[in-house]
Amino acid sequence: QVQLQESGPGLVKPSQTLSLTCSVYGDSISSGGHFWSWVRQRPGKGLEWLGYSDYTGSSNYNPSLRSRVSISVDTSKNQFSLKLTSVTAADTAVYFCAREVYGGPSIYWFAPWGQGTLVAISS
Amino acid sequence: SSELTQDPAVSVALGQTVRITCQGDSLRRFYASWYQQKPGQAPIVVLYGKNNRPSGIPERFSGSDSGDTASLIITGTQAEDEADYYCNSRDSPGNHLGVFGGGTKLTVL
Repeated sequence: QVQLQESGPGLVKPSQTLSLTCSVYGDSISSGGHFWSWVRQRPGKGLEWLGYSDYTGSSNYNPSLRSRVSISVDTSKNQFSLKLTSVTAADTAVYFCAREVYGGPSIYWFAPWGQGTLVAISS
Repeated sequence: SSELTQDPAVSVALGQTVRITCQGDSLRRFYASWYQQKPGQAPIVVLYGKNNRPSGIPERFSGSDSGDTASLIITGTQAEDEADYYCNSRDSPGNHLGVFGGGTKLTVL
């Protein structure tokens, strides 16, 4: 059974960099075929796709965040990470990591998801 | 970038059938995936591709697609189906960005 687990600080100061790591269990990032993704949910709001990286490090990001977000993979540790720079209170959210599965032409889905981690931006 | 539009809220009587829709141009090129999220929990996928249910998802969950609209259909809705539902797809074959619908809060009466 594949499981994902987010880790990182729950409080970040404004203008600093938010850094989270997702540990993957039961699957190997280096086996390929999946997109290692981050999704966030601001309090009381919907899901927001942040971006993904594949096992080679090729990545794709939400255009609204592209200048501030980066996602990287560490195949040696079977982890992937999110960095979001210059954070403000608007970046306060629950951050989920998820594996996006490619199921054939035009078929993608996210499974599983991590349980999510709340990151508050406050001084 | 592409957008996916969902009704903010839908209600259904216990045991009845409900359709939750998701509309967007990207759905002409990509299948939607559907996620159920209950308060304080991570989303789980309930449907993907051409009407595929992951193991453990009840048969009462099904889907249909027509043009730019995807639908999640719950037949014989149960009280435990009360949740927020989100659709997702890639935006275009050229960009491959992800996009979520705004979510539909399903209330079971």
